Amino acid sequence: EIVLTQSPATLSLSPGERATLSCRASQSLTSYLNWYQQKPGQIPRLLIYDASKRATGIPGRVSGSGSGTDFTLTISELEPEDFAIYFCQHRGSFGQGTKVEIK
Amino acid sequence: QIQLVQSATEVKRPGASVKVSCKASGYDFANYAIAWVRQAPGQGLEWMGWIGAYTGNPTYGQKFQGRVTVTRDTSTDTAYMELRRLTFDDTAVYFCARDRIAMTLDYWGQGTLVAVSS
Repeated sequence: EIVLTQSPATLSLSPGERATLSCRASQSLTSYLNWYQQKPGQIPRLLIYDASKRATGIPGRVSGSGSGTDFTLTISELEPEDFAIYFCQHRGSFGQGTKVEIK
Repeated sequence: QIQLVQSATEVKRPGASVKVSCKASGYDFANYAIAWVRQAPGQGLEWMGWIGAYTGNPTYGQKFQGRVTVTRDTSTDTAYMELRRLTFDDTAVYFCARDRIAMTLDYWGQGTLVAVSS
């Protein structure tokens, strides 16, 4: 079973700053590393699929990159609505999440 | 529009079973897989199981093998997740989600709270 490890656990940033979130897999992934956003009391929302493809309606400031075992979610300039928890996922495995909070 | 509507909150005793439903609309239900994911209070997302498109064959997370059953009824466009031998640790919100491809979950149900209490 693949283990996904996200870092950092918490990212404290100000609006307008750049957020860089990491997801490392315990073995090389051949496909489909996905990223989800979840706000308190809400359902998860698909942001990025297959490492770098934006889901429908996701703004251009959100991007994904990476391959093999190392993947990154980048939010170029944080908007107030971006403060949330982010999970990476590959098939039946989820990372433990990174919380992006307002500094 | 695509929607997944789940059944209401359940309160169960330890040792009991729970069955959560997920009714789909707005797309061809039989052509997409459905996954079940749960989230304990204040915790992350946990994969439970998945029922494939076309064949309807289920796959289960190791942790839940033998205790969970995922089914679907294509005549009513509804998926089901049954979890048996509940313990307090099973208190969580249970989500169904559509698998667009390769377990990429693009639409989610609103979640069903299952509370296990004595």
